[in-house]
Amino acid sequence: DARVTQTPRHKVTEMGQEVTMRCQPILGHNTVFWYRQTMMQGLELLAYFRNRAPLDDSGMPKDRFSAEMPDATLATLKIQPSEPRDSAVYFCASGSPGPTFGSGTRLTVV
Amino acid sequence: AQSVTQLDSQVPVFEEAPVELRCNYSSSVSVYLFWYVQYPNQGLQLLLKYLSGSTLVKGINGFEAEFNKSQTSFHLRKPSVHISDTAEYFCAVPDISNFGNEKLTFGTGTRLTIIP
Repeated sequence: DARVTQTPRHKVTEMGQEVTMRCQPILGHNTVFWYRQTMMQGLELLAYFRNRAPLDDSGMPKDRFSAEMPDATLATLKIQPSEPRDSAVYFCASGSPGPTFGSGTRLTVV
Repeated sequence: AQSVTQLDSQVPVFEEAPVELRCNYSSSVSVYLFWYVQYPNQGLQLLLKYLSGSTLVKGINGFEAEFNKSQTSFHLRKPSVHISDTAEYFCAVPDISNFGNEKLTFGTGTRLTIIP
């Protein structure tokens, strides 16, 4: 089965450090999404790309978060500087309608 | 923007009993609707989707859902649950305000616990 691959699976970092999360979408999918999951807020959409172009990043804190798709096989989500409140599970998903999700990156900022 | 309401945050069910997980959506237009399942420490997996056509949709793992336009509901059902069905279940609807049908808004989730 085709799958969305996310790395790393787990990341522990100190406050103020830069964090980069990577995603390999399913080949042929032209839509890519970044979601964040927390106990308090549930699933929130952070960013959304179609054909590598960013369409909506209104859910993303602009001052510290950035999302890019350098090529069709790689999407990245960066946090700089990281803060404890960024601790969450970050999911990448690709395809539409009904995107396929990766296994997520569990980020802990201490 | 469209939204979904999952009325039950937790549902305990005995093994081999039937289950219904409720989802209501807000919309005055035709919609797509989705159910996802999330097992512990895993990503979300698509269970089933309604795009058009028959209002009864069959998905994986023996689940099905019925689209009811008059009641704006899309409840998920299974006639006999197993221990392995213990998971969190999410209903989702696209936000069609700006970006077609691609961007999904998720409900708050229903935790299904199967009691042996």
